[in-house]
Amino acid sequence: EAGVVQSPRYKIIEKKQPVAFWCNPISGHNTLYWYRQNLGQGPELLIRYENEEAVDDSQLPKDRFSAERLKGVDSTLKIQPAELGDSAVYLCASSLSGTKQYFGPGTRLTVL
Amino acid sequence: DQQVKQNSPSLSVQEGRISILNCDYTNSMFDYFLWYKKYPAEGPTFLISISSIKDKNEDGRFTVFLNKSAKHLSLHIVPSQPGDSAVYFCAAKGNTGTASKLTFGTGTRLQVTL
Repeated sequence: EAGVVQSPRYKIIEKKQPVAFWCNPISGHNTLYWYRQNLGQGPELLIRYENEEAVDDSQLPKDRFSAERLKGVDSTLKIQPAELGDSAVYLCASSLSGTKQYFGPGTRLTVL
Repeated sequence: DQQVKQNSPSLSVQEGRISILNCDYTNSMFDYFLWYKKYPAEGPTFLISISSIKDKNEDGRFTVFLNKSAKHLSLHIVPSQPGDSAVYFCAAKGNTGTASKLTFGTGTRLQVTL
């Protein structure tokens, strides 16, 4: 069974540029999560989707971050404009039961 | 406010010996705890979990112990193998409010030496 797929794996951009990350969850998983992991820290939740609905986006910086999950499957996370402090690994995860989450490999973003 | 704490950033253990990784939490609403393992350039991989109704859960070489009164859990790996070298994250969640999201610790880097 295929795991959570994310692309790109690495992205380097200059500050003020836009950037987008894509996630394809495990087939059949209705819950999808986006996390941000800063260096030396654990992952921190940005947004959680139940099917197409964003049920927890309280930690998403809405002035520059946006996310969507059309058709309740794939999801994209966008940053516009990017700032230096956005450099981190962005992880996507999915789950069926809401407890055990399966993570993708992440996208390492570097903002110069 | 760090609700899940892993106070040891790193741990080195000899192959064949026991590895003990510790985790403390502060939110009494947490009732489900997980350990994730992370290799470089990969996402975290689920390892083992425990519900607050239990005090021990075992899966092969991995055992998680939960002490609710102390708000402490630990992961035991025995015997340790070189392939266990990775960063281990403790995570916790509850059912309501801010506890309903998975909260991670900062991780402990385990190095298993030959």
